[in-house]
Amino acid sequence: QTVVTQEPSLTVSPGGTVTLTCASSTGAVTSGYFPHWFQQKPGQAPRTLIYNTNSKHSWTPARFSGSLLGGKAALTLSGVQPEDEADYYCLLYYGGAWVFGGGTKLTVL
Amino acid sequence: QVQLQETGPGLVKPSQTLSLICSVSGGSISSGSYYWSWIRQPAGKGLEWIGRIDASGSTNYNPSLRSRVTISVDTSKNQFSLDLSSVTAADTAVYYCAREWGVWGQGTTVIVSS
Repeated sequence: QTVVTQEPSLTVSPGGTVTLTCASSTGAVTSGYFPHWFQQKPGQAPRTLIYNTNSKHSWTPARFSGSLLGGKAALTLSGVQPEDEADYYCLLYYGGAWVFGGGTKLTVL
Repeated sequence: QVQLQETGPGLVKPSQTLSLICSVSGGSISSGSYYWSWIRQPAGKGLEWIGRIDASGSTNYNPSLRSRVTISVDTSKNQFSLDLSSVTAADTAVYYCAREWGVWGQGTTVIVSS
């Protein structure tokens, strides 16, 4: 069973920078896993922030960026805002099947 | 713009089949090369991908659910559906549909209980 691992929780100060990561139990994450990143706030549906490693939707704030870092997919928030406090999920593709990471609870404090 | 809406019974009895429909508005389910997915989220827990379908009816399923899941598409009604058989309390969750991966429905809560 494939497992995708994220940090369970992270804390960042307003205006700071934080990087969330997404690891695969099968080995290094590459662009071929088509990493996606989603933001979910309480009581809301997830919202896609990043697709295919580093592409942004029209609604994605500029402070969010995606990359590959040390064999993992990464989501970096630069200049964090209070409204960025949320759960963040990554998603990886395994040849016909998608697997979500367990999610990272980001606290802005 | 494309919008998705999940509908179905909010309460299902154990051992029965959970059936949901995702209605697509603002665009045709047949236009573009999109996959249409189902995802679920138990209360307080993470997201789980259930499976997906394209407009031609080609499907992929989560291996852990494959034996109980059927996803189908009705292009004439511009909708796709989820059937999950032999449900238990562990299938209680908010169920979302999505157009991979830019558009999500608002989700619908399904409780499995007698």
